[in-house]
Amino acid sequence: DVKVTQSSRYLVKRTGEKVFLECVQDMDHENMFWYRQDPGLGLRLIYFSYDVKMKEKGDIPEGYSVSREKKERFSLILESASTNQTSMYLCASSRPGREQYFGPGTRLTVT
Amino acid sequence: EDQVTQSPEALRLQEGESSSLNCSYTVSGLRGLFWYRQDPGKGPEFLFTLYSAGEEKEKERLKATLTKKESFLHITAPKPEDSATYLCAVQAPPDKLIFGTGTRLQVFP
Repeated sequence: DVKVTQSSRYLVKRTGEKVFLECVQDMDHENMFWYRQDPGLGLRLIYFSYDVKMKEKGDIPEGYSVSREKKERFSLILESASTNQTSMYLCASSRPGREQYFGPGTRLTVT
Repeated sequence: EDQVTQSPEALRLQEGESSSLNCSYTVSGLRGLFWYRQDPGKGPEFLFTLYSAGEEKEKERLKATLTKKESFLHITAPKPEDSATYLCAVQAPPDKLIFGTGTRLQVFP
């Protein structure tokens, strides 16, 4: 079975803090993705990566950055957390052109 | 602009009452349409991929169908454990998924 794990299920941070969200997949997938999910807005793509050290902006990259130093690991960084970044963050991975598999999500609250 | 619209937003069914969920899409060159199930507080779980009009996929009480403009997720004789949010997504280049906002299904005994 494909397994995508995320470093935390719940996280509470203060405004202005730097936040790291980690994602690891064990299926040797080339593609990895970061989404945020908000009520009424659905899943929105923040960043994705189709190879090690490669990254592409999604639909809402502002305020975020990413890092992919190893194939199995994709990190999302909130440079200076703000309250409007309170959300559910979901990581996914896939082979090119195939279905994406999601992790359990991290519910981030910024106070 | 690539877009996915799901209807209805919410659906309440009695156990055993069959129904269908709709996913309408506009995309330049469909490369794949995906259905996911999401339980509260969890990540989406992959159900089906459909690639071309006329294609159908089945899994237990669920059947997904695809036309050139929309997809349907048919639920036959649902059970309370089928209660979840069902998400539809289309694939856009290079490998992005564009999601609808989902249909929240409740099946009560």
